[in-house]
Amino acid sequence: GESVGLHLPTLSVQEGDNSIINCAYSNSASDYFIWYKQESGKGPQFIIDIRSNMDKRQGQRVTVLLNKTVKHLSLQIAATQPGDSAVYFCAETTRGNNRLAFGKGNQVVVIP
Amino acid sequence: GAGVSQSPRYKVAKRGQDVALRCDPISGHVSLFWYQQALGQGPEFLTYFQNEAQLDKSGLPSDRFFAERPEGSVSTLKIQRTQQEDSAVYLCASSLRGGTGKMDTQYFGPGTRLTVL
Repeated sequence: GESVGLHLPTLSVQEGDNSIINCAYSNSASDYFIWYKQESGKGPQFIIDIRSNMDKRQGQRVTVLLNKTVKHLSLQIAATQPGDSAVYFCAETTRGNNRLAFGKGNQVVVIP
Repeated sequence: GAGVSQSPRYKVAKRGQDVALRCDPISGHVSLFWYQQALGQGPEFLTYFQNEAQLDKSGLPSDRFFAERPEGSVSTLKIQRTQQEDSAVYLCASSLRGGTGKMDTQYFGPGTRLTVL
């Protein structure tokens, strides 16, 4: 299918290495943040979320870090695998607003 | 269980035609969202339903775009008199709860890729 990730920042990572994907969010009032993974021809898939009262949350092989001072979010993927190749989006929203605002995507390419 | 499904997966329309895109949310999910994703971009919010009520349609780009969810489950996004700039992937998402003060995960369908010639 057609690539989601045309002209996106690309991170190339060796299989087994750790990946770090960064995101700058725009709204200082945002209090809920989500990382989504999108493979070509598919819809975004939920990876992990974090609320603004936290600065770190861990999942299976993934960690999200939130720095509200500089409005920065990062996603760390441990031991990156070929199946992790995709475009990754951060999204933000506020408690009183159900709409998600997505950031610019980052394409991750895992080199076997 | 089944996830969010959308149909058709691909739609080609001639400029000026009307199109209807269908979304079947996860059973029991109260909230339903439509997003538009241009090539190489992140999804952009179009509209939001809580059950059958359309609570936010501020993201619809023009009055040619219309969405409905008459029975609080299946939703249809209709685009009248399609233009080339309407070419995009249209994503539907649903979440379990609804209402302000409740933030929960939005689960996305595979999208419908609309190409307007």
